[in-house]
Amino acid sequence: AQKITQTQPGMFVQEKEAVTLDCTYDTSDPSYGLFWYKQPSSGEMIFLIYQGSYDQQNATEGRYSLNFQKARKSANLVISASQLGDSAMYFCVNFGNEKLTFGTGTRLTIIP
Amino acid sequence: DAGVTQSPTHLIKTRGQQVTLRCSPKSGHDTVSWYQQALGQGPQFIFQYYEEEERQRGNFPDRFSGHQFPNYSSELNVNALLLGDSALYLCASSLPDRGYNEQFFGPGTRLTVL
Repeated sequence: AQKITQTQPGMFVQEKEAVTLDCTYDTSDPSYGLFWYKQPSSGEMIFLIYQGSYDQQNATEGRYSLNFQKARKSANLVISASQLGDSAMYFCVNFGNEKLTFGTGTRLTIIP
Repeated sequence: DAGVTQSPTHLIKTRGQQVTLRCSPKSGHDTVSWYQQALGQGPQFIFQYYEEEERQRGNFPDRFSGHQFPNYSSELNVNALLLGDSALYLCASSLPDRGYNEQFFGPGTRLTVL
């Protein structure tokens, strides 16, 4: 079974600052993937970044980077130079056994 | 290239009624997964359809059933609705058996049970 833990229910960050969203995971699968999704108030789930368990380098996608520490079972999302449009719910997600397991999410609010 | 579409956008039902939600996958995708997202929670996996069969299922009662058609579109049916079934229902489509499983989500159907 897979489990995702996000310990930050909400965060407030000043515009243009960097922010780190925490995620720890627990899985028995030898091979797995970790995603981050963004969910604005409209409800649609937007893919941000993916990290495979055997990837040697941390994933990056534009302003998003994933700080993957396999031994600590953590996959934190780093957003650089935050923007007002980054205000949303953020979910850390594990892919295993052909399905996604979501964390409880972190609500990020960017302050002008 | 059309993405994942869902209908209807919103739906209001009363307890005990039955509801059908619909999903059309992204072009070229043949696998459809359904998720329930209660208010303030992360989505929970309901089930997944591939080749018109339910391939796996999460911890949901038999009141939740589904179907996949030959064109890969899918329906989610919920019988004997309860107040607790009020949620956003998300459909995701993907290609099966890939090491990197991209799941593309639709905009969701918001179901309210009164």
